[in-house]
Amino acid sequence: DADVTQTPRNRITKTGKRIMLECSQTKGHDRMYWYRQDPGLGLRLIYYSFDVKDINKGEISDGYSVSRQAQAKFSLSLESAIPNQTALYFCATSDSSGGPGANVLTFGAGSRLTVL
Amino acid sequence: AQTVTQSQPEMSVQEAETVTLSCTYDTSESNYYLFWYKQPPSRQMILVIRQEAYKQQNATENRFSVNFQKAAKSFSLKISDSQLGDTAMYFCAFLIYNQGGKLIFGQGTELSVKP
Repeated sequence: DADVTQTPRNRITKTGKRIMLECSQTKGHDRMYWYRQDPGLGLRLIYYSFDVKDINKGEISDGYSVSRQAQAKFSLSLESAIPNQTALYFCATSDSSGGPGANVLTFGAGSRLTVL
Repeated sequence: AQTVTQSQPEMSVQEAETVTLSCTYDTSESNYYLFWYKQPPSRQMILVIRQEAYKQQNATENRFSVNFQKAAKSFSLKISDSQLGDTAMYFCAFLIYNQGGKLIFGQGTELSVKP
């Protein structure tokens, strides 16, 4: 099984629909992130969480919300999807505890969302 | 503002040749990490190489090496003996040490390795 699992891998939805993207990890990392990838723009940070009670907005949080249900689970919601939210979404995790793996993000396989 | 710029949207190289991908960044911080990530058609983000800013020695991972010029804020990636499997999008990114592990990405360079 993958260390960071995203569901669904692909989703097509309609404008105005609510959609949730889910992320779970088995790495035991405390930090989790949601990024959005658009062609020519790279990856941009939507939200990040240091632990269950610490959630922060990233660069492009408008139109999105998140929930950290447990240390291992971090979900991203689009309350009312619009076409310009069509993108590839990545969940990532990292470990703040130090050591050689600290500050190295591990990514999920991505969730392709299309809003019609 | 902290930014990363990759000025080459697309590049191509012949198999077995060497190619260098450019990256510049802008930050006023002194403690940070720099990364190159690879994204093949499978769309998985794969760490290629990492450089700590306090280290003067350039990082190397097998056929991949970097040229880190801190004063110039430049972090280029050299791929030697290019292989067909190196075909991918490559992203340069940096992370400020005391800012929660947030990666800031460049726009990406699409590399095609031709047989």
